[in-house]
Amino acid sequence: QVELQESGPGLVKPSETLSLTCTVSGDSISGYYWSWIRQPPGKGLEWIGYIYYGGRTDCNPSLKSRLTISLDRSKNLFSLKLISVTAADTAVYFCAREKVDTTMVWYFDLWGRGTLVTVSS
Amino acid sequence: SSELAQDPAVSVALGQTVRITCQGDSLRNYYASWYQQKPGQAPVLVFYGENNRPSGIPDRFSGSTSGNTASLTITGAQAEDEADYYCNSRDNSGDHRVFGTGTKVTVL
Repeated sequence: QVELQESGPGLVKPSETLSLTCTVSGDSISGYYWSWIRQPPGKGLEWIGYIYYGGRTDCNPSLKSRLTISLDRSKNLFSLKLISVTAADTAVYFCAREKVDTTMVWYFDLWGRGTLVTVSS
Repeated sequence: SSELAQDPAVSVALGQTVRITCQGDSLRNYYASWYQQKPGQAPVLVFYGENNRPSGIPDRFSGSTSGNTASLTITGAQAEDEADYYCNSRDNSGDHRVFGTGTKVTVL
């Protein structure tokens, strides 16, 4: 059974860096796209970005200047770093596995439980 | 604001049928996927593409696409279907993923 688990600080100060890790268990990280998605309290889902196991990344244009997504094949995990955070970055952060089928349909088939990150002094 | 628009809320009587729509220009070129989210939980994939339902999802969930609109239909809604539903596809450039604004489904 494949599971994803987010981990990282629950509280980050304004202007500092938010760092999260998603550990994948039960399967190899190879061969898939791995995404970060967030949800501010009481609001909808926002796609943050992905990393392909080969290293290619892409992200939400609104976050591009502040975001880094990386992958550690040896530890079977991927990570997110968001610099210069503000209160607007307060959200539940989810990691998810993305797949594509033979008809080029993309979908997130597995999600972590999510972790709340609050930006506050 | 999202490039995929959904009605904020819909209600359905127990056992009746409800359709949730997702509108956006990118849907003319890309299929949508649909996610159910209950309070305090992670989203769950319930339908994707033209006709794909993940294992374990009841067959009362179905999907379709016409023009710039993707739809998720729940036929014979149950109390446990009360949740927020989000579509996901590409933005208008086709380069990035984007979620719809979300629809809260209430089962009366």
